[in-house]
Amino acid sequence: DIQMTQSPSILSASVGDRVTITCRASQSVSTWLAWYQQKPGKAPRLLMYKASSLDTGVSSRFSGSGSGTEFTLTITSLRPADFATYYCQQYNAYPWTFGQGTKLELK
Amino acid sequence: QVQLQESGPGLVKPPETLSLTCSVSGNSMGSHYWSWIRQPPGKGLEWIGYVFDIGTTKYNPSLKSRVTISIDTSKMQFSLRLTSVTAADTAVYYCARGGVLRGLDYWGQGSLVTVSS
Repeated sequence: DIQMTQSPSILSASVGDRVTITCRASQSVSTWLAWYQQKPGKAPRLLMYKASSLDTGVSSRFSGSGSGTEFTLTITSLRPADFATYYCQQYNAYPWTFGQGTKLELK
Repeated sequence: QVQLQESGPGLVKPPETLSLTCSVSGNSMGSHYWSWIRQPPGKGLEWIGYVFDIGTTKYNPSLKSRVTISIDTSKMQFSLRLTSVTAADTAVYYCARGGVLRGLDYWGQGSLVTVSS
């Protein structure tokens, strides 16, 4: 299985900050990488697919980059609604696997 | 707007079979991949498997011997069966659309299944 490792596991930030979350794959996944946002008690929401494509309706404050084994999700001008847990997921090889999550919390 | 809704028992005794159904509305089921994902309380996400269109399936090897995912496009539903459950199968189970090209773009709200005698 391809292991997905996110860093940091917990990220403290303030409203208005710019933050970056990193996701590393144990082997190349090309650009078959998605990012999700999950709030407590809710289903994950797709933010980015194909590493850098914004899903419909997602704010342009979110951006993704990377290929191969290293990827980043950047959020600019943090808003209160952005504080949540973020997961990366590879869908290059079976089984599809997720990172362990990064909890973005209010400083 | 595509909507997905999980349904099924919230409590299953070990070592019985967990069965969940996902009802889809708002779009045709054809030409899409339909997945099940689970999340144990307080933990991360695990992809269980998918069914595509007329019934092609792909499963996570960690669960493959116990999992069956099926589809009934006439009812706009797809289903999950997980046999011989243990407490380790306690989780919120999500159904979702997509995955091969653009990630899992539509999700159900999740169904908590507790495995306990």
